[in-house]
Amino acid sequence: NAGVTQTPKFRILKIGQSMTLQCTQDMNHNYMYWYRQDPGMGLKLIYYSVGAGITDKGEVPNGYNVSRSTTEDFPLRLELAAPSQTSVYFCASSAGTGDQPQHFGDGTRLSIL
Amino acid sequence: RKEVEQDPGPFNVPEGATVAFNCTYSNSASQSFFWYRQDCRKEPKLLMSVYSSGNEDGRFTAQLNRASQYISLLIRDSKLSDSATYLCVVNMGYAGANNLFFGTGTRLTVIP
Repeated sequence: NAGVTQTPKFRILKIGQSMTLQCTQDMNHNYMYWYRQDPGMGLKLIYYSVGAGITDKGEVPNGYNVSRSTTEDFPLRLELAAPSQTSVYFCASSAGTGDQPQHFGDGTRLSIL
Repeated sequence: RKEVEQDPGPFNVPEGATVAFNCTYSNSASQSFFWYRQDCRKEPKLLMSVYSSGNEDGRFTAQLNRASQYISLLIRDSKLSDSATYLCVVNMGYAGANNLFFGTGTRLTVIP
């Protein structure tokens, strides 16, 4: 039972490089989310999507882009990596927004040097 | 005021102890509530939803107090494996999908 799968698990980037964090879910959930978590801090929402073709900004969207071409996939793109983007990134999905909990992938640890 | 506030701890308790965490939320119209568990360097995992009537799952009991706008988590007979950070999560009921707010977590260490 895969659930939410994120790749890669770890990555080191140089300042100014770009990369895409992949996220896929097999639960047929319409809602998907990207969070970042800095050490000792709570989760902060970067972007979210309510269905294929629909995305919207969260609390901290600057420096990131997303797309949602299918229900299953929700990649997060970093165009010009900066040290402030060093963090752990979690993708999540949910069946709804009411009493439906979110299910998380196991995270991508990203370091920008 | 933050949307969701938790005592960060750490709570260090001996095995077998009972420990309780509280979490306050800012919006009286909040609709649903959850407790998540996050182990060190791992993803958050749903521990339990919190219902208006309160609910229990084995050694874990969750309560909701709408009048005072807080939820609680009680852990009885603590085990070493309960050591983790416990996240309070609240659906604030805003329009749209951007309505789930996470607390920063309460860290629990159970000591042998």
